[in-house]
Order: sequence, then structure tokens, then C-alpha cells
Amino acid sequence: EVQLVESGGGLVQPGRSMKLSCAASGFTFSNYGMAWVRQAPTKGLEWVATISYDGSSTYYRDSVKGRFTISRDNAKSTLYLQMNSLRSEDTATYYCTRDEAYYFDYWGQGVMVTVSS
Amino acid sequence: DIQMTQSPASLSASLEEIVTITCQASQDIGNWLAWYQQKPGKSPQLLIYGATSLADGVPSRFSGSRSGTQYSLKISRLQVEDPGIYYCLQGYSAPPTFGGGTKLELK
Repeated sequence: EVQLVESGGGLVQPGRSMKLSCAASGFTFSNYGMAWVRQAPTKGLEWVATISYDGSSTYYRDSVKGRFTISRDNAKSTLYLQMNSLRSEDTATYYCTRDEAYYFDYWGQGVMVTVSS
Repeated sequence: DIQMTQSPASLSASLEEIVTITCQASQDIGNWLAWYQQKPGKSPQLLIYGATSLADGVPSRFSGSRSGTQYSLKISRLQVEDPGIYYCLQGYSAPPTFGGGTKLELK
């Protein structure tokens, strides 16, 4: 059974940093691209970043470029999202997802990130 | 960026009724479209990929279709467990973009 379990969320002040983790199991992690998708409170879904199966390629939405870094450790089957210079508009539930090239087939339960002073 | 215009924004339907939700793409995206269902407090669940292919474990009352740049999700006989918010997603070109969502309620 595919499982994606996020951790690392919470309350953070504007301008500070936070790192999310996603522990994957139930599939060969190193064979799949992975992505982060977020959802602001009462809002819709928004893609954030994608990383290729081997970590050699990364992609970001414009609003997080230069501030967020997606990475992975295939030996640990873990995905990361380093978020720097956080803004109030980054407040959202962040979902770890498995990327099937043009859609996301498995999602974690999500982790809440609140950016507020 | 490709815009996905989803309609209606909300709808109310009765048990056993046929429900149709649509997404209009701002340009050709081929069959690179997926549909998701999200229930309150839960993560989205994949229903349809490739515009028409049913994801594993999804009931056969769900189906997807395409007409040009318009995509539809049909629920053939609405069941009590089907209310939630439905989203479409285009993966044809970066960045992947979601529709605004359709909130489906039971009448």
C-alpha cells in the first residue's frame, strides 16, 4: 500500500524558514517524480514544486521560485520542501504527492503551515 | 499558464440523479487531464486520469469524457458518499493547473 506521510508543519513568523518532510513507503520511491501541492484555507488546489525521480530536475511555481527548494533522499525514501522567507500567502495545507508525469496519483494526509506574527 | 475554467461552482443533486461537472481548458491539452474528489478534512483522491481512464478502486458510476477542449466528469447515479469538492487538473504543460472546484451537495 502506497503511503505518504508529511511532517514538519506548524506556526512560523513571516520571513522565517520551515522544512517539510514526506516519508514514502509501499512503492519504489526512486522510480517516481514527486511533487508538493498546497491548499490555502477554504481555497482550491495549487501546485508548488516538482522533482524528478533522481533529483536532477526541479520545477517551481513563480511565486515560490528563489524561496522554496524541493529535494529528495532516495536512500531514505523521503521528500523535502525547504521554505525560506515565508509570507502570509504561503499559509496552507501542504500535500506530498506522487507525480505520474501529468497527474498526481497518491497524496499524503497534508501538513498545515501557518505564517503569522 | 493554461487556465482551467470549472463549472458549476456548486450544485445540489438528489440520490440516484445524474451529475455532470465540466472543465474548459484555455487551449488544447489533449487527454492530459485528471479529476479528483476531496471530502472535508481529507486529501484529494484521484478519480479519472487521461481524461477517460478510471483510477484503481473508483466506482464505475464515475466516468470522464472529452469534447475538444471541454472535459466532463459524470456521476451516473449519485450516492450518499459522493458529496465533496471535485477538481480537474491539466498536466499538458507547466505549470500544472487545477480548476477552481465544484462543490457537490446532496439535496
